[in-house]
Amino acid sequence: DGGITQSPKYLFRKEGQNVTLSCEQNLNHDAMYWYRQDPGQGLRLIYYSQIVNDFQKGDIAEGYSVSREKKESFPLTVTSAQKNPTAFYLCASSFMGAEAFFGQGTRLTVV
Amino acid sequence: KQEVTQIPAALSVPEGENLVLNCSFTDSAIYNLQWFRQDPGKGLTSLLLIQSSQREQTSGRLNASLDKSSGRSTLYIAASQPGDSATYLCAVRGATDSWGKLQFGAGTQVVVTP
Repeated sequence: DGGITQSPKYLFRKEGQNVTLSCEQNLNHDAMYWYRQDPGQGLRLIYYSQIVNDFQKGDIAEGYSVSREKKESFPLTVTSAQKNPTAFYLCASSFMGAEAFFGQGTRLTVV
Repeated sequence: KQEVTQIPAALSVPEGENLVLNCSFTDSAIYNLQWFRQDPGKGLTSLLLIQSSQREQTSGRLNASLDKSSGRSTLYIAASQPGDSATYLCAVRGATDSWGKLQFGAGTQVVVTP
């Protein structure tokens, strides 16, 4: 089945720790995106990538980093510089300007 | 900067009633608009995509209209069912940003009571 796979579903981070969220797609999409969702708020864009080895900052990139070494993979690292990382993280992909598809999300909690 | 608003934030209707969900945006220069459904704790499921040149798009019981000049889109769900209970989000892609970001509204939480 084609789709977007995010892992893990739940993730716990200790203070000062970096954690990496995985996003893999087998839809052959060029563009991939990371969004953050907080209760009662719309999704906010963290990073996006149009092609391999290239990515752009979104509206709230501070404290996050990404890589795009393969077309199908777009991992997100939440660094210790992100002071309020507890949120629901969603990965998406699309062809150029076309319908976007989302993964099932990763819920990150600081412990 | 594009701003997307969804009013009301929450809506409760009895089963069988038609649902009308509103989405407004401040910049009419859009490339397309997409409606999504989100169940609690889950990712987003795409419902409909409307290109800027289209006036409406239909899929089963769902119909979405787009009035670009007034900055509005409406999602109609006919003959609502309890399984339609979810949060519905709209998102727009700017006309100069066809590769890039979707700007989201905060969503409308819908409850359909049996």
